[in-house]
Amino acid sequence: GENVEQHPSTLSVQEGDSAVIKCTYSDSASNYFPWYKQELGKRPQLIIDIRSNVGEKKDQRIAVTLNKTAKHFSLHITETQPEDSAVYFCAASIHSGYSTLTFGKGTMLLVSP
Amino acid sequence: NAGVTQTPKFQVLKTGQSMTLQCAQDMNHNSMYWYRQDPGMGLRLIYYSASEGTTDKGEVPNGYNVSRLNKREFSLRLESAAPSQTSVYFCASSAGTGLEGTQYFGPGTRLLVL
Repeated sequence: GENVEQHPSTLSVQEGDSAVIKCTYSDSASNYFPWYKQELGKRPQLIIDIRSNVGEKKDQRIAVTLNKTAKHFSLHITETQPEDSAVYFCAASIHSGYSTLTFGKGTMLLVSP
Repeated sequence: NAGVTQTPKFQVLKTGQSMTLQCAQDMNHNSMYWYRQDPGMGLRLIYYSASEGTTDKGEVPNGYNVSRLNKREFSLRLESAAPSQTSVYFCASSAGTGLEGTQYFGPGTRLLVL
């Protein structure tokens, strides 16, 4: 089955800095890669996703890049703010293939004012 | 439109007791899922239901059973709770067939087994 590795497990940055979280996956058939944000005590919520027919996707301060050859994808947050502090999870699956999501173990991002 | 709801929010059980976690969604989604979340382990899939009338095992199904009661409701049952089942349980749903589409999560149930 699919295996998703996520790094780092914790990341501390100063407000205004950029943050990058990286994930690798094992199944070359995977083609759907969502990112979820989970604030303390809350439910995970989708913040951005990418499909393998594109290499990069942006939404305001958030971007995701995908390298299919290397089987890795990354989340980039620019101009970080204290409200970005949360746990971020990457995931992978085969879209339209009756494939369940496999999640990484999460990255705790701490943004200091 | 409440989205995905779960009951109870918090539960304490003694080892060997049984209980059912309830989940309902009002988004007319086809697929529903049960995850457990443990510190440092991320979200692990327990069971899922691709459509009404079907259920399948996920990564960590041992000690659990599920019922897809109808399109809206998907319950998770612990027949004989063990301390290792202490966790936060999340239900989720997605719209598409074939398990595709964004997964929307419920607020979670915190379970403590003593």
